[in-house]
Amino acid sequence: EAQVTQNPRYLITVTGKKLTVTCSQNMNHEYMSWYRQDPGLGLRQIYYSMNVEVTDKGDVPEGYKVSRKEKRNFPLILESPSPNQTSLYFCASSLSATTRRQPQHFGDGTRLSIL
Amino acid sequence: AQSVTQLGSHVSVSEGALVLLRCNYSSSVPPYLFWYVQYPNQGLQLLLKYTSAATLVKGINGFEAEFKKSETSFHLTKPSAHMSDAAEYFCAVSEAGNTGKLIFGQGTTLQVKP
Repeated sequence: EAQVTQNPRYLITVTGKKLTVTCSQNMNHEYMSWYRQDPGLGLRQIYYSMNVEVTDKGDVPEGYKVSRKEKRNFPLILESPSPNQTSLYFCASSLSATTRRQPQHFGDGTRLSIL
Repeated sequence: AQSVTQLGSHVSVSEGALVLLRCNYSSSVPPYLFWYVQYPNQGLQLLLKYTSAATLVKGINGFEAEFKKSETSFHLTKPSAHMSDAAEYFCAVSEAGNTGKLIFGQGTTLQVKP
């Protein structure tokens, strides 16, 4: 089954404790992206990756890091989490970023609470 | 800059009634538009997309949307609401250039009353 898998689904942690949210897709997609969803704001892009070893900032990249060492994986790293990063996070992938008409496939989300 | 506005953060309809969720976009290039649905505790699922072919687009679960360039709108409709349609709905436009980014509206929560 074609899917985007995120782990963990839920996490409660404390300020400053490094954490990683994993994302994996099995569709051989070139493009992957991270979004955060906050009430009343819709989804906003954090980082994206056009292909292996190619990443770039989205609209709200502060406090986050990413890497793309393999085509299927795109982890999101919070080096020193803060309460304002409490949010619902989604990983997404699509065949290629160069074709704007391609829909994106989303994971089920990761709800992070930073205390 | 491109943007999407969804009118009404909450819409409530009775079961069997018409569903109308409004989406207006702003884009300096020909837009590619999407509607996604989010059920509780799930990710976003593609309902339908407009990619410059037919202006009336049919999607899954009986939903459809009409692209109206003159009104810069892409409203989502369904003739008869079911209880299972209760969810949050997002309209999005694909950003110009090669960032691959989707620009989302604020979302509309649909409540269906028995």
